[in-house]
Amino acid sequence: KAGVTQTPRYLIKTRGQQVTLSCSPISGHRSVSWYQQTPGQGLQFLFEYFSETQRNKGNFPGRFSGRQFSNSRSEMNVSTLELGDSALYLCASGTGGSYEQYFGPGTRLTVT
Amino acid sequence: QKEVEQNSGPLSVPEGAIASLNCTYSDRGSQSFFWYRQYSGKSPELIMFIYSNGDKEDGRFTAQLNKASQYVSLLIRDSQPSDSATYLCAVKRPFSGGYNKLIFGAGTRLAVHP
Repeated sequence: KAGVTQTPRYLIKTRGQQVTLSCSPISGHRSVSWYQQTPGQGLQFLFEYFSETQRNKGNFPGRFSGRQFSNSRSEMNVSTLELGDSALYLCASGTGGSYEQYFGPGTRLTVT
Repeated sequence: QKEVEQNSGPLSVPEGAIASLNCTYSDRGSQSFFWYRQYSGKSPELIMFIYSNGDKEDGRFTAQLNKASQYVSLLIRDSQPSDSATYLCAVKRPFSGGYNKLIFGAGTRLAVHP
C-alpha cells in the first residue's frame, strides 16, 4: 500500500506571497492532519480533516487554512507569508478512529 | 506546563544497552499514547502505541503506561547506532466538539555510540 505523499517537497517563497501544499493520504484513510515543525517549537498541530469536514483546529492565525476533497486528498494554504512561516509542514493520515497517524515526507517551506 | 513533557536529551547510551525514554502528560482524560521515531531530516515514523496500563512489547521495543502516574515510557533493548534519532511521545486526548486531538511532546534525542 502506498504511503502518504506530499507535494511539493521544497518551496521557496517571498514574504507576502501565498502558498498551497498538497497531501494524498494512504488509500482508505479518511483523516488528514497537518502539522508545522520548527526547531524551536517542535510539532505544532494546525488542523484535522475527516470526510471533508474540519474536526479540529490548532492555535494558528487565519492565514492558515485547509480543505479536504471527496477523495480524501487535502490541501493547506498559507496567505500573506511571513518569515516565521518557514518550517517543515507535515501531513499525517489515519483512519480517524484510533488516531494512529502516518506521516508523509513533508514540504520544506522557506520564506525569504 | 506543557501538556506532554519529554526530556530533550541527548540521551547517550552504549551499543547493546537498554535505552529508556520517558514522557509525562497532564490531561487525565488522555486515552491513547504513541511513540514516533524521527531521523534527522526525515518525517516521524510510528513505532508503537499503547492504550492500556502495563507493558506492550514489539521486538526490541517495549512501551509502558501508568495512567495513575500519567507516565508513559519506551524501552529499547539491545540499542543499535541505527536507533539514534529523536523519539516523540504523542498523546490522544478529548478536544472540543466531541473529537480528539493528538498532542506531541518536543522529543528526546537518543544517541547510541559504538
